[in-house]
Amino acid sequence: GAGVSQSPRYKVAKRGQDVALRCDPISGHVSLFWYQQALGQGPEFLTYFQNEAQLDKSGLPSDRFFAERPEGSVSTLKIQRTQQEDSAVYLCASSLHSTEAFFGQGTRLTVV
Amino acid sequence: AQTVTQSQPEMSVQEAETVTLSCTYDTSESDYYLFWYKQPPSRQMILVIRQEAYKQQNATENRFSVNFQKAAKSFSLKISDSQLGDAAMYFCAYRANNNDMRFGAGTRLTVKP
Repeated sequence: GAGVSQSPRYKVAKRGQDVALRCDPISGHVSLFWYQQALGQGPEFLTYFQNEAQLDKSGLPSDRFFAERPEGSVSTLKIQRTQQEDSAVYLCASSLHSTEAFFGQGTRLTVV
Repeated sequence: AQTVTQSQPEMSVQEAETVTLSCTYDTSESDYYLFWYKQPPSRQMILVIRQEAYKQQNATENRFSVNFQKAAKSFSLKISDSQLGDAAMYFCAYRANNNDMRFGAGTRLTVKP
């Protein structure tokens, strides 16, 4: 596609529910990033892929968070047993090489 | 670990005037990229300008320019002839070669008519 696509745009989950957030990067982009952004804050790094390899997952806040990119294209961020503090906007970005990243519109997750 | 610091949570500028947003970073790398991103209320991040660390010349994109001081690890953004549409959150970001990208906390820019 022309840009990074994230789905769903909005997700409301009951506490304890599992959620899966999808990211479709720009075709051919090698690098893919996931960020968590709280209201009024900067994006906090979660994890980074180069093709299908997850090179850095140091930002994942707990073992309830899991990300995958099995074929080096689409990526899924999964959050198990959601908690209220998981409420945030989750941003996905992709880049061709070591330069700028292009962002999707984000998924706003609200845990009630 | 690399860190990016934006010391101005909020800035305000009069329409048509010039404003400078500050950013400092910490790294032990010699080869890296620096970016300024804009995030309007719709929340989609848009690249404003980028700077390669190996280039001494400051990047310029129309009304946007940077002052890159590599030794001081400083990377400020100057917006000239500010327009109402420039109002947004601005984030400074750092990326070392083939690594992940890290962001500062952001500066909220208000443009007064």
